Amino acid sequence: GQQLNQSPQSMFIQEGEDVSMNCTSSSIFNTWLWYKQEPGEGPVLLIALYKAGELTSNGRLTAQFGITRKDSFLNISASIPSDVGIYFCAGQLREYGNKLVFGAGTILRVKS
Amino acid sequence: DSGVTQTPKHLITATGQRVTLRCSPRSGDLSVYWYQQSLDQGLQFLIQYYNGEERAKGNILERFSAQQFPDLHSELNLSSLELGDSALYFCASSVAHGQGTGNTIYFGEGSWLTVV
Repeated sequence: GQQLNQSPQSMFIQEGEDVSMNCTSSSIFNTWLWYKQEPGEGPVLLIALYKAGELTSNGRLTAQFGITRKDSFLNISASIPSDVGIYFCAGQLREYGNKLVFGAGTILRVKS
Repeated sequence: DSGVTQTPKHLITATGQRVTLRCSPRSGDLSVYWYQQSLDQGLQFLIQYYNGEERAKGNILERFSAQQFPDLHSELNLSSLELGDSALYFCASSVAHGQGTGNTIYFGEGSWLTVV
């Protein structure tokens, strides 16, 4: 089946540092989404990307839909303690309707 | 609060038993999705319903079934439970069944199932 390779698996950074994580796939996706999950909660959508090359920001978060449609990255600038959580990339394939294929997640810990 | 409501939040049951997880989608959303999250498999798509009809099927076991009712709420039935079925089960909803701007998928808080 379709697989998304998400890296890094985890990060432990100093408050104020910038963070970068990415997802790659051998499949071409029509949509890339980035979610954040905190303990005891469901995934919450951070950014949605619908066009190849699209660069979208949401506050301190910036994400891009790769030109090849096979990758995406998420950057978090000036990290703060509440950024802690698990970040998931997810892709959608047109031929599979609206089904989301998720990456394994990046665990982010912030040291204050 | 995503607007997707799931019950129960936690459930402990014995092997061989059957449980039903319930989901109310966001107001106005016609599509409901079920996902399973476990430590070893991550987030896996199980099944999708749109306006009462099954729309897409993922890695759903034959022991599991789901349905969407006329009022658009959905139930996921898990039977002959095994220890490996212990996981967090998420329901999600969206307005339509296709992709694209405006058809964002929103997740509920999940139902924790522990099989002992």
